[in-house]
Amino acid sequence: EAQVTQNPRYLITVTGKKLTVTCSQNMNHEYMSWYRQDPGLGLRQIYYSMNVEVTDKGDVPEGYKVSRKEKRNFPLILESPSPNQTSLYFCASSFSGRALETQYFGPGTRLLVL
Amino acid sequence: AQSVTQLDSQVPVFEEAPVELRCNYSSSVSVYLFWYVQYPNQGLQLLLKYLSGSTLVKGINGFEAEFNKSQTSFHLRKPSVHISDTAEYFCAVSDEETSGSRLTFGEGTQLTVNP
Repeated sequence: EAQVTQNPRYLITVTGKKLTVTCSQNMNHEYMSWYRQDPGLGLRQIYYSMNVEVTDKGDVPEGYKVSRKEKRNFPLILESPSPNQTSLYFCASSFSGRALETQYFGPGTRLLVL
Repeated sequence: AQSVTQLDSQVPVFEEAPVELRCNYSSSVSVYLFWYVQYPNQGLQLLLKYLSGSTLVKGINGFEAEFNKSQTSFHLRKPSVHISDTAEYFCAVSDEETSGSRLTFGEGTQLTVNP
């Protein structure tokens, strides 16, 4: 089954404790992206990757890092989480990253930073 | 820069009633338009998209949307809703000019279908 998977689905952590949220897709997509969803704000892009070793900032990159060492994986790293990073996070992918392509979303990771 | 406004944050309707979820956008370039649905505790799923051509776009689950360039709108409609349509709906735009194929999302509309 074609899908985007994320782990963990739920995470509670404390301020300053480094964490990684993994994202993997099995559709051989070149493009991957991270969004965060906050009430009343919709989804906002954090980082994206057009291909292996090619990443760039989205609208809200502060406090996040990403890497793209393999085509299928695009982990999101919070080196020193803060309470304002409490949010629902979605990973997405598309075939080549063209604007007209459908993006496929993972199930989401709900993060609470205390 | 693009922006998307979903005019209603919550829309309660009765089962089998028609529904319209409103979306307006602003952009200085040609855009692609999308509607995504998010069922409780799930990721986003594409309902339909407008790329070019016919302004009336049909999607999954009986939904359709009409692109109106002069009014910069892309409203979503369904003639008769079911309880299972209860979900949050997001309108989004993208364009070839913005780097990263970024989808700009609206704030979301919570559709609640009551029996």
